[in-house]
Amino acid sequence: DVKVTQSSRYLVKRTGEKVFLECVQDMDHENMFWYRQDPGLGLRLIYFSYDVKMKEKGDIPEGYSVSREKKERFSLILESASTNQTSMYLCASSATGLTTQYFGPGTRLTVL
Amino acid sequence: GIQVEQSPPDLILQEGANSTLRCNFSDSVNNLQWFHQNPWGQLINLFYIPSGTKQNGRLSATTVATERYSLLYISSSQTTDSGVYFCAVCGGSNYKLTFGKGTLLTVNP
Repeated sequence: DVKVTQSSRYLVKRTGEKVFLECVQDMDHENMFWYRQDPGLGLRLIYFSYDVKMKEKGDIPEGYSVSREKKERFSLILESASTNQTSMYLCASSATGLTTQYFGPGTRLTVL
Repeated sequence: GIQVEQSPPDLILQEGANSTLRCNFSDSVNNLQWFHQNPWGQLINLFYIPSGTKQNGRLSATTVATERYSLLYISSSQTTDSGVYFCAVCGGSNYKLTFGKGTLLTVNP
């Protein structure tokens, strides 16, 4: 079974803090993705990566950056957290080509 | 970009009933997935179905790509089927999935 894990289920941070969300997959997938989910807005893509050190912006990249130094790990970074970044963050991975995306359990981030 | 519309937005059933969820999309797609989001927020893959019909137990799905819609059938529903069902599509080569707003299903005992 594909396993995608995220570093925290719940996280509380203060405005202005630097926040790291970690995602690890164990299936040697080339592609990894970060989404956020908000009531009424659904799931929106923040960034994705199709290879180590490669990244592309999604629909809502502002205020976020990413890092992919190893194939299995994809990090989402909030350089200076703000209250409007309070959300559920979901990581996903997929093999190369048009295949199924598998999701992690999500991190519910609250920025106070 | 591709627009994805799901209907109905909400559905309430009694245990044992059948249901059909619909997903319409605005352009041709090369990837379509159905997910179930459980109460804890986990998105669980149900089907990868850019075209054709698939079945998995009480669930089945059909995608008619030429008419730009997909249907998810749930038969003999159970309370554990409750949650939000999402349809997501990809129309290009960059693997980016566009999600619908989901259907909130409540199955009462």
